Amino acid sequence: ETGVTQTPRHLVMGMTNKKSLKCEQHLGHNAMYWYKQSAKKPLELMFVYNFKEQTENNSVPSRFSPECPNSSHLFLHLHTLQPEDSALYLCASSQEGPGGSETQYFGPGTRLLVL
Amino acid sequence: ILNVEQSPQSLHVQEGDSTNFTCSFPSSNFYALHWYRWETAKSPEALFVMTLNGDEKKKGRISATLNTKEGYSYLYIKGSQPEDSATYLCAFRAGANNLFFGTGTRLTVIP
Repeated sequence: ETGVTQTPRHLVMGMTNKKSLKCEQHLGHNAMYWYKQSAKKPLELMFVYNFKEQTENNSVPSRFSPECPNSSHLFLHLHTLQPEDSALYLCASSQEGPGGSETQYFGPGTRLLVL
Repeated sequence: ILNVEQSPQSLHVQEGDSTNFTCSFPSSNFYALHWYRWETAKSPEALFVMTLNGDEKKKGRISATLNTKEGYSYLYIKGSQPEDSATYLCAFRAGANNLFFGTGTRLTVIP
């Protein structure tokens, strides 16, 4: 359906667990993003990677740790989360710079529940 | 954080009706305005990217206009169909990378 895939689609974890979210883009883009959507709030940018380098960290707590090993893969490592971190986590990618459309293409998201 | 507002929050229309919604954004430091369509359990789908004041874009029965001087964009749907039911998001871009999203307008088209 889309060029951006995310796994898992659903995740339930306890506050002491460690888990990771995975995102893969098949579009040849040079930028990748993590967004968080909490109930009745707008999509909120968490992290931006350009050419595998983190260029934005939107004051995200350290219990969220991103990793971008190459321009096609993006991870979000989760540890000691709080119940208020329960949300939908969306990954996106785009082609930035000359010749790029700069449109962000989204994955379907991971629905996270922290107990 | 920039304030992007969408109205109405939700909307129910009969099949065949035409409808429109509004996105308001800061009128300074404008770079681009994006519209997305988001069906439940699917990925947000890009509809339009608008960059110039007075831009009008069209895709089938959906069209959008842009006024950067006063900071608003309208999305129009002509002859709504049940498959148009979705949340429509707008996002304001002030510079590199960062998109600031509104909370969306949730459209339900009643057959």
